[in-house]
Amino acid sequence: DAGITQSPRHKVTETGTPVTLRCHQTENHRYMYWYRQDPGHGLRLIHYSYGVKDTDKGEVSDGYSVSRSKTEDFLLTLESATSSQTSVYFCAISSGTGGTGELFFGEGSRLTVL
Amino acid sequence: AQRVTQPEKLLSVFKGAPVELKCNYSYSGSPELFWYVQYSRQRLQLLLRHISRESIKGFTADLNKGETSFHLKKPFAQEEDSAMYYCALSKGGGADGLTFGKGTHLIIQP
Repeated sequence: DAGITQSPRHKVTETGTPVTLRCHQTENHRYMYWYRQDPGHGLRLIHYSYGVKDTDKGEVSDGYSVSRSKTEDFLLTLESATSSQTSVYFCAISSGTGGTGELFFGEGSRLTVL
Repeated sequence: AQRVTQPEKLLSVFKGAPVELKCNYSYSGSPELFWYVQYSRQRLQLLLRHISRESIKGFTADLNKGETSFHLKKPFAQEEDSAMYYCALSKGGGADGLTFGKGTHLIIQP
């Protein structure tokens, strides 16, 4: 498996609470992604990063922010969690050579917002 | 905008029977297509990509540009093939992520 870890793996929080999910990689890949996985929706891209301090929005970015201060870490923040953000969040990395190419995924972070 | 459609949410077949998971896409450019698989309690992993033209775990997929399809096939299903399968598209060029279909849950019955 690619060296990619997510934390926390499970979290239960209340509506209105801020939440930060962390993705850490040891592969020195340039590109990092945050997806959410929901039944009936598959995986949808939230935000991605193409380098330190370089990020861009994905398909479902509203209510989320990201930061990348180091190559190895990509943080996803929910400023004020809502029940609609209950989901499984996956981080992925890519070398980006010739396009997105193969994504390597983390194990996922299950977030429940009560 | 690009789109990936997997028409079957659930597909149940018997062990030893042929399997075909359908994937259609819409994109005006030249996409790269992938199949990802997620076994129970495991992370998503790449199964196939069309440019490599490999057969992985007995699965094959051919890109049909005329029909804009990338169906996944296996002649004889095995119980260990039970999993969630996602078709995905890359626009190529920029590394702005993959667009995924909604997934097909494949169940292989003994």
